[in-house]
Amino acid sequence: DIQMTQSPSPLSASVGDRVTITCQASQDISSYLNWYQHKPGKAPKLLIYDASNLETGVPSRFSGSGSGTDFSLTISGLQPEDIATYYCQHYNDLVFTFGPGTKVDIK
Amino acid sequence: QVQLVQSGAEVKKPGASVKLSCKASGYTFTNYYMHWVRQAPGQGLEWMGIIKPSGGTTNYAQKFQGRLTMTRDTSTSTVYVELSSLRSEDTAIYYCARDLFVEGRRYFDYWGQGTLVTVSS
Repeated sequence: DIQMTQSPSPLSASVGDRVTITCQASQDISSYLNWYQHKPGKAPKLLIYDASNLETGVPSRFSGSGSGTDFSLTISGLQPEDIATYYCQHYNDLVFTFGPGTKVDIK
Repeated sequence: QVQLVQSGAEVKKPGASVKLSCKASGYTFTNYYMHWVRQAPGQGLEWMGIIKPSGGTTNYAQKFQGRLTMTRDTSTSTVYVELSSLRSEDTAIYYCARDLFVEGRRYFDYWGQGTLVTVSS
């Protein structure tokens, strides 16, 4: 089975900071990697699909990159409403795996 | 607009079973797979399984094999998840999520509001 790891966790940053979360797969997963944002009391929300494609309606300060085993999610200018836990997700055939999550808060 | 509306909170005793529902609207139900995902207190998101509404085919995470059953009712556009032999570790918020499949890629584009299941004696 493919394992997903994320770092750092947690992550504390100031408003306006550029924040990068990394996700690593235990083997090559091409670009089969999505990113979700999850706020307490709400349903998770898709941010990035196929490693680097921004979902419609998601602010452009969010971006994703990577392929193979190493991926990153960047927030260019952290906003108070970005406080959440961020998960990477891989899938292979019809088996899906979430990373452990990175909790982001404001310093 | 696409909506996934889940059933209400449940309280169950250890060893019991729970069956949750997720009613879809705003799209053709049989054209999209549906997932179930849960989050236990203080834990991350955990994928449980997927169902193909058009034929009822399922695929479950290895961890839940033997005590998880996903079904669907196409007449009411509803998917169900049933988890048996409940234990305290099954206390969690359970979400349904629609699977969007485009050009060989998959992602969860719409989610239900979540259902809290509490397992306690």
